[in-house]
Amino acid sequence: QSALTQPASVSGSPGQSITISCTGTSSDVGTYNLVSWYQQLPGKAPKLMIYEGSKRPSGVSNRFSGSKSGNTASLTISGLQAEDEADYYCCSYAGSNTYVFGTGTKVTVL
Amino acid sequence: EVQLVESGGGLVQPGGSLRLSCAASGFTFSSYWMSWVRQAPGKGLEWVANIKQDGSEKYYVDSVKGRFTISKDNAKNSLYLQMNSLRAEDTAVYYCAGNVWNWFDPWGQGTPVTVAS
Repeated sequence: QSALTQPASVSGSPGQSITISCTGTSSDVGTYNLVSWYQQLPGKAPKLMIYEGSKRPSGVSNRFSGSKSGNTASLTISGLQAEDEADYYCCSYAGSNTYVFGTGTKVTVL
Repeated sequence: EVQLVESGGGLVQPGGSLRLSCAASGFTFSSYWMSWVRQAPGKGLEWVANIKQDGSEKYYVDSVKGRFTISKDNAKNSLYLQMNSLRAEDTAVYYCAGNVWNWFDPWGQGTPVTVAS
């Protein structure tokens, strides 16, 4: 149950697009299309942004999109805005009703 | 309004015990799997445990097996986490979350647990 690997930080200017990677193994990300993504603002609880790899919950901006290739899932934020500055975590189902989160990525809007 | 409110956190000595509670409202609690997720200071999220809608199945991360017990009282719309034999590495903010299919939503605001002498 090792944490999924994410870059520690990603930055971009307003209006740009950024992509956060989430690398797992064939035991989690590679086998199950069940990756979710969470945004965590400073001092706040996480918020669901993407589920089942690429689906957006009601109320989440369509600037957020998810995808997967092999053992790596990705979250793309297009049209970057100041309000997107936060920590982002991926999470994958890991079998046997267990889950593993990513190491987290700090997004900075320049 | 959908809401999860955790309580029961605090300072406890190594080897001690603590029971966390999570009160749910605004949704059909009895229909949800529920989870506990923790976050050590300055660190990332870690899934800790989950429980099936009726409490008949429970699963844990390896590091807490045998020490933590998750439970659910649908009549009281409440989730619990009994934590025994606490260690310094259990220090974290503990969140309860709805474990909807294979994602987590909603989330509570978290309750801090500090294990120190």
